[in-house]
Amino acid sequence: GENVEQHPSTLSVQEGDSAVIKCTYSDSASNYFPWYKQELGKRPQLIIDIRSNVGEKKDQRIAVTLNKTAKHFSLHITETQPEDSAVYFCAASNKRLTGGGNKLTFGTGTQLKVEL
Amino acid sequence: SAVISQKPSRDICQRGTSLTIQCQVDSQVTMMFWYRQQPGQSLTLIATANQGSEATYESGFVIDKFPISRPNLTFSTLTVSNMSPEDSSIYLCSVEDDVRASSRYFGAGTRLSVL
Repeated sequence: GENVEQHPSTLSVQEGDSAVIKCTYSDSASNYFPWYKQELGKRPQLIIDIRSNVGEKKDQRIAVTLNKTAKHFSLHITETQPEDSAVYFCAASNKRLTGGGNKLTFGTGTQLKVEL
Repeated sequence: SAVISQKPSRDICQRGTSLTIQCQVDSQVTMMFWYRQQPGQSLTLIATANQGSEATYESGFVIDKFPISRPNLTFSTLTVSNMSPEDSSIYLCSVEDDVRASSRYFGAGTRLSVL
């Protein structure tokens, strides 16, 4: 099955700096790559996603890049703010052949801390 | 995105009992999913629930332990049966957006503690 690795496990940056989180996946058939932000005690929130027919996607201070050849994708947050502090999860979707639905495999998470 | 209501938000249960978690969505969705998240850990898929058919369970999860119902396109339940302290975790339901295929949204979760 799909295996998603995520690095780093913790990341500390100064306010205003950029943060980059990287993920690799194993299944070349994966075609959907979302990123989730989870604040303490809250639900995971979809913040951005990218599909395999696109190499890069940007939404204000957040961008995601995808390298299908190398099977890795990254989350970039620019001009970080204290409210960006949270755990971020990457995921990869492996379309099932039977049983319906896209199985999302999650990375292990990155605890991002933005310091004043 | 879909609005997902999950209840209870938390519960403390005795060993050997069962708890049923409910998930209600404000729109009709084809696919619903149940995840488990241990404290400080990632999300692990328990099963996929498609309306009108048996749920599909992931490796390590069985129907006798985690029976799931999906009576219609807006509702699902997950039961954690014969609980032990190892079942203490956060259980989350999730739906797949039928319009933006693959986009996945989560309920607020049920924090379960088993004594």
